[in-house]
Amino acid sequence: KAGVTQTPRYLIKTRGQQVTLSCSPISGHRSVSWYQQTPGQGLQFLFEYFSETQRNKGNFPGRFSGRQFSNSRSEMNVSTLELGDSALYLCASRLKTGENSPLHFGNGTRLTVT
Amino acid sequence: AQKVTQAQTEISVVEKEDVTLDCVYETRDTTYYLFWYKQPPSGELVFLIRRNSFDEQNEISGRYSWNFQKSTSSFNFTITASQVVDSAVYFCALSEAGGYQKVTFGTGTKLQVIP
Repeated sequence: KAGVTQTPRYLIKTRGQQVTLSCSPISGHRSVSWYQQTPGQGLQFLFEYFSETQRNKGNFPGRFSGRQFSNSRSEMNVSTLELGDSALYLCASRLKTGENSPLHFGNGTRLTVT
Repeated sequence: AQKVTQAQTEISVVEKEDVTLDCVYETRDTTYYLFWYKQPPSGELVFLIRRNSFDEQNEISGRYSWNFQKSTSSFNFTITASQVVDSAVYFCALSEAGGYQKVTFGTGTKLQVIP
């Protein structure tokens, strides 16, 4: 079974631009979560989607948005990029949303904002 | 609100030593779930274990063992006879029960095993 696939692996953008990251979950997994990982803050929860609906959201500004498609694939968008948005963005899928299902992570997209 | 604290930022041990990674959590729920993940240098977080709040039995898997104590709100992870391949960042995480609950992670402990 293929794991969680994130594209692209690396991105370099300049301040003010916008970026879209993509995530394909494990086949059969309907829940997709996004996390931002930085050296100082660890893993910060961005949002979780299940059945194309956002089910939970972290404390990030509205510049961070996402969506999920009918095939469970998800995209995350960051608009008006700031230097502080430089981070590793991790996508995780699980069979269903809920406390019993462990998250399965992709390799992440490393975003650098200059 | 839920919170996970991993006070040890970095630990270095010599190969074959035992090492314990600490995890302390806060939650108002009586039902919750705890997890440990490993993030090797390649970057992908790997799920290690899940424990629910009603099961305080310690668990052992090979060289890995976990000690869950509700009385101290701790879920510590011990690696016995550490190996270089254990070098990674280890994250403890918590999820409360019911509805669409997010998984909250600690800030991680970076373990370096020196040959």
